[in-house]
Order: sequence, then structure tokens, then C-alpha cells
Amino acid sequence: AQRVTQPEKLLSVFKGAPVELKCNYSYSGSPELFWYVQYSRQRLQLLLRHISRESIKGFTADLNKGETSFHLKKPFAQEEDSAMYYCALKAGGFKTIFGAGTRLFVKA
Amino acid sequence: SAVISQKPSRDICQRGTSLTIQCQVDSQVTMMFWYRQQPGQSLTLIATANQGSEATYESGFVIDKFPISRPNLTFSTLTVSNMSPEDSSIYLCSVEAADSGTYEQYFGPGTRLTVT
Repeated sequence: AQRVTQPEKLLSVFKGAPVELKCNYSYSGSPELFWYVQYSRQRLQLLLRHISRESIKGFTADLNKGETSFHLKKPFAQEEDSAMYYCALKAGGFKTIFGAGTRLFVKA
Repeated sequence: SAVISQKPSRDICQRGTSLTIQCQVDSQVTMMFWYRQQPGQSLTLIATANQGSEATYESGFVIDKFPISRPNLTFSTLTVSNMSPEDSSIYLCSVEAADSGTYEQYFGPGTRLTVT
């Protein structure tokens, strides 16, 4: 079965500290993985995708097929990073499955 | 890219009634999706709507409860029928649109539904 697991509902870090939001997936095919972010009072938007291997707003995520993980990392958290983060898996061409989400709170 | 608007943005409805949510996109798109996000939970796909064909529903969702229309490439509606308090949720419209050679999923602002 296709599944995305984000084990942490809430992650609280101090400004300047490293951040890692965990994501594990279950999918028998070749996965397409994404991170979406929802800032307060804004709509859900794409943060990054594993295919592009880019860094957005200082965030990176590496697909580890051996561990079936796609953790989101940032070396130095900023207060404006506080948001809800969703890991997502595109399965079967069109359908996107979302994890439960992790709320990141960056303290001053 | 794609900019999505939804109407209404929120509503409070009585049980047993129905509500139709509209989704308008500023560009023509093939795939439109309807999601539900219940309080404190993640997004759950209700159905995929292609223009000119019947919507494809996910397990646990049926056409009688959530009829969908897709009359053209920029518009869709989702009806929540015979509502109960368990239908209280945020309903999100989403589309897949081309962006710099790849496809990206865009989301509307959501419709917050409360059923009393």
C-alpha cells in the first residue's frame, strides 16, 4: 500500500539551530516525492521535489531509497520557517498522497 | 502556473442539506482534484476530475455523497450532499499545471465547512 509517514506532529527549535523534518514512504514503484509548506493564513504550496534536487529557502531533501526516506533539512532555522510541512508521494502518475504533516515552530 | 479561487470560502450548514463548492482556475488544466482536510488531519483525496468524463473517486468516497461536475477546462464543482457533522472539514481544490517544463500541483485557498 502507498503510504507517507511523518512521525512528528510538532517540531520546535530555536532560531539558528538545524532542522530535520522526517518523512518515510511506502511505495512499490519508482517514487516521486515532494515537500509542501503552508504558512499561516496562506494556501498550501510546493516547497521542493526530489527530482529537481534543488535548495529552496535553504531547505534540501534527499531521497534515500534504501531507507525509503525523504527527510527535509535546513542547517539554520529562521523564524519565518514556522509553518506546517507536508511530505507527499505521487503514486500512479496523478494521485498525490500526503503525510499527516509536521508543524515547525522556530523560537526566537 | 495556476491561480485557483474557491467559493464559498466558508459556510455553516445544517445537517441534511447540501452545499456546492466552486473551483475556478485562471488557465486550462486537464487534471483537477478535490481534497478534504479534516481538523488536525492531513489531506485526503476525494476524487480526480477530468473534463468530459466522470470523476474517479477514491476508496471511501462515492458519487452520491460527493457529486462532481467538470464542464470545462477551467471550472469544477464539488457538492457535499446530505451533510452530517462528520463532513465538517476544509475542502480543497487542486490542479496540476505546467511550470518551467515540469508539472506542479497548485492548491486553492480552501472552503471551510461547518455542519451543525
